[in-house]
Amino acid sequence: DIQMTQSPSSLSASVGDRVTITCRASQSISYYLNWYQQKPGEIPNLLIYAASSLQSGVPSRFSGSGSETDFTLTISSLQPEDFATYYCQQSYNTPWTFGQGTKVEIK
Amino acid sequence: QVQLQESGPGLVKPSETLSLTCTVSGDSISNYYWTWIRQPAGKGLEWIGRIYTTGSTNRNPSLKSRVTMSVDTSKRQFSLKLSSVTAADTAVYYCARVSMTGSFGMDVWGQGTTVTVSS
Repeated sequence: DIQMTQSPSSLSASVGDRVTITCRASQSISYYLNWYQQKPGEIPNLLIYAASSLQSGVPSRFSGSGSETDFTLTISSLQPEDFATYYCQQSYNTPWTFGQGTKVEIK
Repeated sequence: QVQLQESGPGLVKPSETLSLTCTVSGDSISNYYWTWIRQPAGKGLEWIGRIYTTGSTNRNPSLKSRVTMSVDTSKRQFSLKLSSVTAADTAVYYCARVSMTGSFGMDVWGQGTTVTVSS
């Protein structure tokens, strides 16, 4: 199985901050990397697919980059509604695997 | 727009079989992969498996021998069976659609159904 490792596991940030979350795959996954946001009590929501493509309806302050094994999710200016847990997920090989999540909290 | 709705018992006894169905509305079920994911309370997401509308499946090896998936295109439903359940299978179970563009992101999710394994 491909292991996905996110860092940090949690972070505290203020509204307006630039936030970066990283995800590392245990082997090359090309661009088969997706990012999800999950707010407490809600279902996951696809933010970014193919490492850097913004899903329809997702605000442009979210962006993704990277390829092969190293990927980044960036929120350019954190908004109150962005406090949530973020997961990366590889779809290069089955079993598809998720990172452990990064919880973004209010400072 | 497309919507997914999970249905099935919320309580399953240990050693029995968990059975869930996901009903698709608002779009065709054909020509997509459909998938199951679960999330124990307070924990992360675990991929269970996927099924194509032809019936072809891929299952997580960690669950493989216990997982059966099927699809009924006439009813716009796909289903999950997980046998020999234990307390470790207690979780919220989600069904989701796999986008066929880009990198197979899961772009539409059901609301999730909580399944508790307890006697």
